[in-house]
Amino acid sequence: GAVVSQHPSWVICKSGTSVKIECRSLDFQATTMFWYRQFPKQSLMLMATSNEGSKATYEQGVEKDKFLINHASLTLSTLTVTSAHPEDSSFYICSARDSRREWTYNEQFFGPGTRLTVL
Amino acid sequence: DAKTTQPPSMDCAEGRAANLPCNHSTISGNEYVYWYRQIHSQGPQYIIHGLKNNETNEMASLIITEDRKSSTLILPHATLRDTAVYYCIVRGQGGSEKLVFGKGTKLTVNP
Repeated sequence: GAVVSQHPSWVICKSGTSVKIECRSLDFQATTMFWYRQFPKQSLMLMATSNEGSKATYEQGVEKDKFLINHASLTLSTLTVTSAHPEDSSFYICSARDSRREWTYNEQFFGPGTRLTVL
Repeated sequence: DAKTTQPPSMDCAEGRAANLPCNHSTISGNEYVYWYRQIHSQGPQYIIHGLKNNETNEMASLIITEDRKSSTLILPHATLRDTAVYYCIVRGQGGSEKLVFGKGTKLTVNP
């Protein structure tokens, strides 16, 4: 199956700093990628849809100026958590689908996740 | 997209079949049923999806009732590595690509 990678797999940062998380589709092109956040013992919550070459679409309640998304190529989307605070500590997961496949076969593939801890 | 209802938890003995139910009574004609699972501290893994016919792949089988209001994911010979949270998601063709995750079913496979 298609592979999605994330980097870093975990990061610890100080409050007030910014952290960038990368999401890459390794063997397929993805015009659309998705960013999720998951708090302990909770389900995944969609934060935003990342569109290659255009602005991301954010879900209600997600601050676009705090969670900056850039999708500059067909294989890379980045999420930057700006001025991170302890409440931003979470498991961040991206997903992508193969843009060239028909919709009916278009399952999304998920990255392994990035665990962010803000001290 | 239609909402789904799943039991919060289930247990299964190793080597036996695990049958995970999902209710999606408000599903519409062009909506597919997707199943994903998430092993602890990992990203979700795609398992299978279907529209109205039963589907089978190397991981599982998906049985969809004739009225499409419910479905069952079957893991034919569960192993300890199948312990995970299983999510049933309904998504429509031509609509949003978003996957909306509910709380899923925590499947525990016991030795």
